[in-house]
Amino acid sequence: DTGVSQDPRHKITKRGQNVTFRCDPISEHNRLYWYRQTLGQGPEFLTYFQNEAQLEKSRLLSDRFSAERPKGSFSTLEIQRTEQGDSAMYLCASSIGPPGEQFFGPGTRLTVL
Amino acid sequence: AQSVTQPDIHITVSEGASLELRCNYSYGATPYLFWYVQSPGQGLQLLLKYFSGDTLVQGIKGFEAEFKRSQSSFNLRKPSVHWSDAAEYFCAVGDNNAGNMLTFGGGTRLMVKP
Repeated sequence: DTGVSQDPRHKITKRGQNVTFRCDPISEHNRLYWYRQTLGQGPEFLTYFQNEAQLEKSRLLSDRFSAERPKGSFSTLEIQRTEQGDSAMYLCASSIGPPGEQFFGPGTRLTVL
Repeated sequence: AQSVTQPDIHITVSEGASLELRCNYSYGATPYLFWYVQSPGQGLQLLLKYFSGDTLVQGIKGFEAEFKRSQSSFNLRKPSVHWSDAAEYFCAVGDNNAGNMLTFGGGTRLMVKP
């Protein structure tokens, strides 16, 4: 069990560029979650997959954000036309459920200049 | 909508002293409750969880928490704090009807004095 991994760990981009993050969950975990954490705050839920189906999306997830989980394995989170307000830590978690405790990856820190 | 409140933003305790971190939640049904710890530059690590049953739950690193339905609380305790416990602590409630998506509190930053 290698845990949840995320790539890249850090991303610096210019406003208006597109970025894509990857999350590899713990193998056999059927649920995968994305959260966003800004400095000094707790994580906020963005979206969740059960296998390959995206079942919940937060109102925080504007139309510039899209997430996929092809074949129910790894997941990608893409942000189009990044804005400075997108600067945050993006966390991925996986679980086997229900109910399932969530195991978190180390996160991808995004800085938009 | 569910919510979690951690009233204490910062807490400082002396090494060896006892610790209690407060957590209050709002949720319509029986909640799933969690405490996570986050060290600088690290991901979130689960300390303990409550799904059902015994309201006093034991976790890793000597932590425990007690679910009190009447007070909508899930406070975290440790009898003797170690310097390595200095970190940010997050309480969270899981939504049973939405894939157990977690709602987190704002966190409590724990500092430990030698």
